Amino acid sequence: GQNIDQPTEMTATEGAIVQINCTYQTSGFNGLFWYQQHAGEAPTFLSYNVLDGLEEKGRFSSFLSRSKGYSYLLLKELQMKDSASYLCAVTWNQGGKLIFGQGTELSVKP
Amino acid sequence: DAGITQSPRHKVTETGTPVTLRCHQTENHRYMYWYRQDPGHGLRLIHYSYGVKDTDKGEVSDGYSVSRSKTEDFLLTLESATSSQTSVYFCANANGRNGYTFGSGTRLTVV
Repeated sequence: GQNIDQPTEMTATEGAIVQINCTYQTSGFNGLFWYQQHAGEAPTFLSYNVLDGLEEKGRFSSFLSRSKGYSYLLLKELQMKDSASYLCAVTWNQGGKLIFGQGTELSVKP
Repeated sequence: DAGITQSPRHKVTETGTPVTLRCHQTENHRYMYWYRQDPGHGLRLIHYSYGVKDTDKGEVSDGYSVSRSKTEDFLLTLESATSSQTSVYFCANANGRNGYTFGSGTRLTVV
């Protein structure tokens, strides 16, 4: 299968740092995306990793280890507006299909 | 300037009726996708297209068909709607390293 696993829910405090993990099947792996989705809205693109290492974009960073089939999304200086679902999605070498994990619902508390 | 639009935004239909959802892109992207999103399941791929008249099945294609007669339009048809197809449907196109851009979604209720 093409299992993508991420925690269902996480809670963090405003101003803190939170790390959301994602694991996936390594065979045929092509690239990994992170999306943010607020309730009732469409997913929006956050990051794309294809090589090992850390990609930083402001308060958000994404890390990839291809050999371990592992990625994380790091959110710093959390704000209340960061409360949303965070979706890990992977493409394998199968003609461009993007397959999603179930998403991690992040709640940011004051 | 919405690059990808879906219609209708909301629809209520009766069990057994056919339903067609439309996705329109203003860009010239080759790849387009249809997903459904349900609580506890996340986004699941229904069908996708890699060019005009070129389509393939995704994870949950049973009961759905698609057509792509023009680059800009990708249609999803529920042949005979069932209550299990009540869901939010998202269309997307592929934009390389910039990710996949999603439409605003269609909320479909089958009664």
